[in-house]
Amino acid sequence: AQSVTQPDIHITVSEGASLELRCNYSYGATPYLFWYVQSPGQGLQLLLKYFSGDTLVQGIKGFEAEFKRSQSSFNLRKPSVHWSDAAEYFCAVAFTGGGNKLTFGTGTQLKVEL
Amino acid sequence: GAGVSQSPRYKVTKRGQDVTLRCDPISSHATLYWYQQALGQGPEFLTYFNYEAQPDKSGLPSDRFSAERPEGSISTLTIQRTEQRDSAMYRCASSPLRGNGYTFGSGTRLTVV
Repeated sequence: AQSVTQPDIHITVSEGASLELRCNYSYGATPYLFWYVQSPGQGLQLLLKYFSGDTLVQGIKGFEAEFKRSQSSFNLRKPSVHWSDAAEYFCAVAFTGGGNKLTFGTGTQLKVEL
Repeated sequence: GAGVSQSPRYKVTKRGQDVTLRCDPISSHATLYWYQQALGQGPEFLTYFNYEAQPDKSGLPSDRFSAERPEGSISTLTIQRTEQRDSAMYRCASSPLRGNGYTFGSGTRLTVV
């Protein structure tokens, strides 16, 4: 069965600093890959997704992610973090033929220091 | 509707009672998913529907959990004889039939006391 690992439970960065959130997956083929953000009291919002093609994916709010097949990774990056980026971030995978059901990681809580 | 709507937002129930949660998906979306998110965890798949068909309910944790979508639009998730371990955020999402990427609702926070 596929699995998703987000090794960092909590990350704290200063506003304006760069950010990288790690995500590794375990699956026999290339899955569909997603990053979601969850703010308090809000639903999960899709930041970006990868299905095929260019391995560097641009998303909303200035986020990007890079798919590295050799490392089974899909890390999320942002060059300059804003205080409003403080939230919980989830990496997720889906596979074809599975009804597009998502398997989520346990999430990374991002704190932004002013 | 314009987004995925879930009700109620919060539900507190006593152990042993039945609860029903409701999801109203985006009107044009054929597929609807239910997820359970325990505190400090990522969402976990429960079940999904394509219109009124329910191809996969492998994630339902026990036979106390059931879901319906009788007319292919609004869905309900029912938990019978609730237990404290059922306390979680229950999230609904919808997508086009061949779409990739869901729209999630704000969830229902269930607390079993």
